[in-house]
Amino acid sequence: SYELTQPPSVSVSPGQTATITCSGDALAKQFAYWYQQKPGQAPLLVISQHTERPSGIPERFSGSSSGTTVTLTISGVQAEDEADFHCQSADSGGAWVFGGGTKLTVL
Amino acid sequence: QVQLVQSGAEVKKPGASVKVSCKASGYSFVGYTLHWVRQAPGQSLEWMGWVNPGNGYTKYSQKFQGRVSITADTSASTVYMELSSLRSEDSAVYYCARAPDNLFGDYWGQGTLVTVSS
Repeated sequence: SYELTQPPSVSVSPGQTATITCSGDALAKQFAYWYQQKPGQAPLLVISQHTERPSGIPERFSGSSSGTTVTLTISGVQAEDEADFHCQSADSGGAWVFGGGTKLTVL
Repeated sequence: QVQLVQSGAEVKKPGASVKVSCKASGYSFVGYTLHWVRQAPGQSLEWMGWVNPGNGYTKYSQKFQGRVSITADTSASTVYMELSSLRSEDSAVYYCARAPDNLFGDYWGQGTLVTVSS
């Protein structure tokens, strides 16, 4: 098995840029996926395959990758973006692993 | 549109089993694996396993091996997750998720709260 590490929390003011990292050796070989989860709701996919934004996800959400670290960037953060964000990867057999989650607070 | 609708909340005693269903609609049921993920209160997401409805193949997290069973009923377009020998630590919200290429969840069920309490 392998692990993905995220910071527990990130805080930004409205209009600023939020960056959330996810690190793990597996990310050098496997894609990362990002989910937004608001209280009482199911996770929502916001970034696929390191950098791809699914249909309907605002352009202010973007993803990048460098070595064993992937980054979710939210440009021009809005109050509605406040949520928990989870990174996830999968091995070749379809076993998923999640990071510990990052709580994004919009000040 | 793609929908995954899960069964309702459950309350179980320690040692009992629980079976949660996930009914799929809006796409070819046999074309995607379905995964189960759980989330204990205040915790992150935890992967449990998957089933391929097309051939019945399954894969489980080692943590739940021997205690979890994930099955698919193609006639009902429904996937089931059964967890046995429940303990208080199994109290969580359980989600099903459709997985393109088995890699990630593009659509998720609404979640099912399972409470284990004596």
